[in-house]
Amino acid sequence: DAGVTQSPTHLIKTRGQQVTLRCSPKSGHDTVSWYQQALGQGPQFIFQYYEEEERQRGNFPDRFSGHQFPNYSSELNVNALLLGDSALYLCASSHRGVNTGELFFGEGSRLTVL
Amino acid sequence: QKEVEQNSGPLSVPEGAIASLNCTYSDRVSQSFFWYRQYSGKSPELIMSIYSNGDKEDGRFTAQLNKASQYVSLLIRDSQPSDSATYLCAVKTRGSTLGRLYFGRGTQLTVWP
Repeated sequence: DAGVTQSPTHLIKTRGQQVTLRCSPKSGHDTVSWYQQALGQGPQFIFQYYEEEERQRGNFPDRFSGHQFPNYSSELNVNALLLGDSALYLCASSHRGVNTGELFFGEGSRLTVL
Repeated sequence: QKEVEQNSGPLSVPEGAIASLNCTYSDRVSQSFFWYRQYSGKSPELIMSIYSNGDKEDGRFTAQLNKASQYVSLLIRDSQPSDSATYLCAVKTRGSTLGRLYFGRGTQLTVWP
């Protein structure tokens, strides 16, 4: 049973560029949440998708956008990259109908903006 | 603004000792509480969840919750070098889904042989 998978694992971009990160949730899960974890900080919630729509959003600018596909996989897009966007981006999956238990994280995509 | 604060660390304990990690939260409607362990360069993994006041034990780990004091802690007994990691406290508030957690910045624990 595959867990949460993310790609790419590492990438380097320059300021002003755009990036797309991808996530496949754990089998049986229909909800994907994205988090940003800067060095030395805890993960911060970016947004959550289920039924192909953004359902909740944290305190992130519109440069951060996402998408969910019918197979529940998801993309995170970041436009006009800033140096401060350098971080580990974590995808987490869960089932919409379950409000307790474990939130499963992928291994993350480490983005470096130069 | 929902805040989750953890003791700053880093925390260093000898092998076999008890490691005590603390966390306070600001939102009184917080409902569920989690401790995640994160090894360097890896993703967080859940080690304990606690939903009601009191203690919850799982092997060498004990989580303690006091909602009146808005405080949750994690005790690690018989600490091992393999416990060396960053421990993240996370909170889910009432009305939000499991996917939306508020995390502290973590406490780095080192267990030395």
